[in-house]
Amino acid sequence: AQSVSQHNHHVILSEAASLELGCNYSYGGTVNLFWYVQYPGQHLQLLLKYFSGDPLVKGIKGFEAEFIKSKFSFNLRKPSVQWSDTAEYFCAVNAKTGYSTLTFGKGTMLLVSP
Amino acid sequence: GAGVSQSPSNKVTEKGKDVELRCDPISGHTALYWYRQSLGQGLEFLIYFQGNSAPDKSGLPSDRFSAERTGGSVSTLTIQRTQQEDSAVYLCASSSLASVEKLFFGSGTQLSVL
Repeated sequence: AQSVSQHNHHVILSEAASLELGCNYSYGGTVNLFWYVQYPGQHLQLLLKYFSGDPLVKGIKGFEAEFIKSKFSFNLRKPSVQWSDTAEYFCAVNAKTGYSTLTFGKGTMLLVSP
Repeated sequence: GAGVSQSPSNKVTEKGKDVELRCDPISGHTALYWYRQSLGQGLEFLIYFQGNSAPDKSGLPSDRFSAERTGGSVSTLTIQRTQQEDSAVYLCASSSLASVEKLFFGSGTQLSVL
C-alpha cells in the first residue's frame, strides 16, 4: 500500500515570500500524484496533478510541483505567496494499476501574513 | 445535484449510540470515497466504492464502522457504539470514471461524541 509524508505541519510566511512544501511518497510501483487545497470554510479542491510526461506541472493560482522519481518526492512551490493562499495543503498519491484509493498526507497548514 | 451533498452537517451524540452519516454524490459519478479528517491527522481513508466492484474497506478502523452504497448512488456510513475518539469530520467524495483522480468533496459531517 502507498503512503504519503508531508514534512511540515505548519508553515508561516509573509506575503511575497517563496513557498516550498515537501511531500514524499512510498510505493513500489508507478503512481499518480496530486496536491489538494482546502481554503478556510471551503471544500477540498484539486490544485494540480501529475500523471506522466513533464515532471514539472503547473496548477491553478501560480502553484507548481516537481516530481523527482529518484527521491519519491512531489514538492509544491510558489515563487511569491499571497494572503489568499492561507489554507491547508494536502499531498496525495494513488497507484496507476487497477482501482486505487487516493491516499493523503496529513496536510500542511500555511498561514500567510499580510 | 450540483455537488456532493452530506447530511447532517453536524451531529452530536452520546458515547455508545449509533450514528448514520449520509452522502449523496454527484449524479453519474461511479466512485465514492469516505475519509475522516481529524485535527493533526490529515485525511484518513475509510472506504472506497467503485461502480459494482466490491468496496475497498481496508481503511475502516474497526468493525464498529460500516458503509453501504445503494443503487450505485447514495452512501451511508454507520458507526455503532460510538466512542469519543470517533469525533472528527467525516468527508465524502466522488469522482467520475473518466476522471477518477479528480475528487469532488462534500462539506463533511462534523461528528462530536460526548
